[in-house]
Amino acid sequence: GENVEQHPSTLSVQEGDSAVIKCTYSDSASNYFPWYKQELGKRPQLIIDIRSNVGEKKDQRIAVTLNKTAKHFSLHITETQPEDSAVYFCAASKGGANSKLTFGKGITLSVRP
Amino acid sequence: EAGVTQSPTHLIKTRGQQATLRCSPISGHTSVYWYQQALGLGLQFLLWYDEGEERNRGNFPPRFSGRQFPNYSSELNVNALELEDSALYLCASSFGTYTEAFFGQGTRLTVV
Repeated sequence: GENVEQHPSTLSVQEGDSAVIKCTYSDSASNYFPWYKQELGKRPQLIIDIRSNVGEKKDQRIAVTLNKTAKHFSLHITETQPEDSAVYFCAASKGGANSKLTFGKGITLSVRP
Repeated sequence: EAGVTQSPTHLIKTRGQQATLRCSPISGHTSVYWYQQALGLGLQFLLWYDEGEERNRGNFPPRFSGRQFPNYSSELNVNALELEDSALYLCASSFGTYTEAFFGQGTRLTVV
């Protein structure tokens, strides 16, 4: 089955700096890659997603890039703010009858004011 | 429009008992996913239901089971509870398998 790994497990950045979180996946048939943000005590919420027919997607301060050949995708957050501090999960899915979202273990991002 | 709702919010059970967790998806969503979030282990996939049928199952023992009702709401049942079943159980719903999944607030299950 699909295996999704996230690196690093924790990341600390200074406010205003950029943060990059990387994920790798194992199943080359996966074609949908969402990113979820989970603040302490709250439910995971989708912040951005990308499908395999595009290589990059941006939404204000966040962007996601996908490298299908290398089977990895990354979340980029620019001009980080303290409210960006949270756990970020990446996931992969290949759609279809037996599809499910497989999540990575999550990365704790801390933004130092 | 209401989001995904789960009940109860908290549940305390003793070892060996059974627990039933409930999930109501967003109106119009036919797929319901269950995940276990134990400390430090991320989101572990439990079960996926779509159109009333179990479509996929994660690497959990058979004492984790569930069902989906005709109105697409879902139940997760955990039998013979063990201490390590203590976790946050999250339900998510989506319209189909290739679209955004929305999470509920979770049920915090504590086994003592």
